[in-house]
Amino acid sequence: KNQVEQSPQSLIILEGKNCTLQCNYTVSPFSNLRWYKQDTGRGPVSLTIMTFSENTKSNRRYTATLDADTKQSSLHITASQLSDSASYICVVSGAAGNKLTFGGGTRVLVKP
Amino acid sequence: DTEVTQTPKHLVMGMTNKKSLKCEQHMGHRAMYWYKQKAKKPPELMFVYSYEKLSINESVPSRFSPECPNSSLLNLHLHALQPEDSALYLCASSQDHGVSSYEQYFGPGTRLTVT
Repeated sequence: KNQVEQSPQSLIILEGKNCTLQCNYTVSPFSNLRWYKQDTGRGPVSLTIMTFSENTKSNRRYTATLDADTKQSSLHITASQLSDSASYICVVSGAAGNKLTFGGGTRVLVKP
Repeated sequence: DTEVTQTPKHLVMGMTNKKSLKCEQHMGHRAMYWYKQKAKKPPELMFVYSYEKLSINESVPSRFSPECPNSSLLNLHLHALQPEDSALYLCASSQDHGVSSYEQYFGPGTRLTVT
C-alpha cells in the first residue's frame, strides 16, 4: 500500500531559527515528490518538486532533499519567519497517472 | 495565471438544502479534481475529471454530484448532506491527469458547514 509518513506531527520554533521536517514514503513506482505549504483554511501551495534523479532543490528559504534509495525526503526552513507558520505536506506521485499520496503534514508554529 | 478560484469561500447549509460549489481555472488544464479535507488531516481525493469526462470516483456517496460543464469549470452539487460532511472542499487542476509530472494547482477551498 502506498504510504507517506511525516514527522514530527507538529513543532514550535522561535522566529529566526531553522528547522527540518521529515518525510518517508513507500510509493512505488515513484515519479516525484512535492512539498506543499498550507495555511489554515487555504489550499496547498507547492514549494518544491523533486524527481528521482534530484537530490536537493531550493526555493527561497526552503530547501528540500531527496534520497530515492532510502525513500526519504526532508524540508529545511532557514531563518524562520512568522509567516512560515502553516502545515507542510509531503506529497508523492506514483509513475502511473497523477494520483497523489499525501502525508499527514507537519504543523509548524513560529513564535516571536 | 496559475490561479484556481473557488466560490463560495464559506457555506452553511442544512441537511435538506441543495447547494453547489464552483471551481474555475483558465490555465488550459484538462484535468480537474475535487478533494475533501477534514481538520488536521491531509486532503482526500473525491473525483477526477479528465477532458471533461469523469475519470475517477473514489466511492463518494451520491449526495455529492460532480459536473464539468466545460474545460474551465467544475461544480460539486450537494444534496441531503450530513453533519460529518462538514469540511474544507478543495478544487485542483493539472495539465493532464495521465502524466504524473504535471503539478496540481489547488484553489483556496470552500469551508462547508452542515447543520
